[in-house]
Amino acid sequence: DVKVTQSSRYLVKRTGEKVFLECVQDMDHENMFWYRQDPGLGLRLIYFSYDVKMKEKGDIPEGYSVSREKKERFSLILESASTNQTSMYLCASSPTVGSHNQPQHFGDGTRLSIL
Amino acid sequence: QKEVEQDPGPLSVPEGAIVSLNCTYSNSAFQYFMWYRQYSRKGPELLMYTYSSGNKEDGRFTAQVDKSSKYISLFIRDSQPSDSATYLCAFDTGTASKLTFGTGTRLQVTL
Repeated sequence: DVKVTQSSRYLVKRTGEKVFLECVQDMDHENMFWYRQDPGLGLRLIYFSYDVKMKEKGDIPEGYSVSREKKERFSLILESASTNQTSMYLCASSPTVGSHNQPQHFGDGTRLSIL
Repeated sequence: QKEVEQDPGPLSVPEGAIVSLNCTYSNSAFQYFMWYRQYSRKGPELLMYTYSSGNKEDGRFTAQVDKSSKYISLFIRDSQPSDSATYLCAFDTGTASKLTFGTGTRLQVTL
């Protein structure tokens, strides 16, 4: 079974702090993704990466950055946390077979509160 | 118009009922269709994955795709309390890396 592990289930930080969310997958997947999930808005893509050291902006990248130094690890960084970044953050990974990306597998999420 | 429309519910049914969950979409480029199940305080879990019109069955679950009407459905037979969760539809064009999700339908199966 695919295992996507997010380092923290719950996190409380203060406004202005730099926040790191870590994600590790154990299936050698090429692609990794960061989403946030808010009531009524569904899942929104923040950033994704299709290879080590590669990154692409998603739909809502503002206020976030990412790092992928190793294939299995994808980090989301909130440069200066703000209260509107309070949310559930979900990491996902997927393999590429041929030219097509296969379905994504998700971690259990990090519920982040910014005070 | 939103790219994907999904009724948020909640949908409450008695145990043993047949459940029908639906999504409509507007993007003709969507080629791959998925249903995810998300339990409270957990991440989404892939339930069904299909790339063609028609039906796909897996145990008590049937996914139906109608590309001409831009409509997908998930049917759950003999529903159980353990099916109580939020169900998300998701779509992929096959040429981009990202998925487009519905906002989810919350299902409650009661004893």
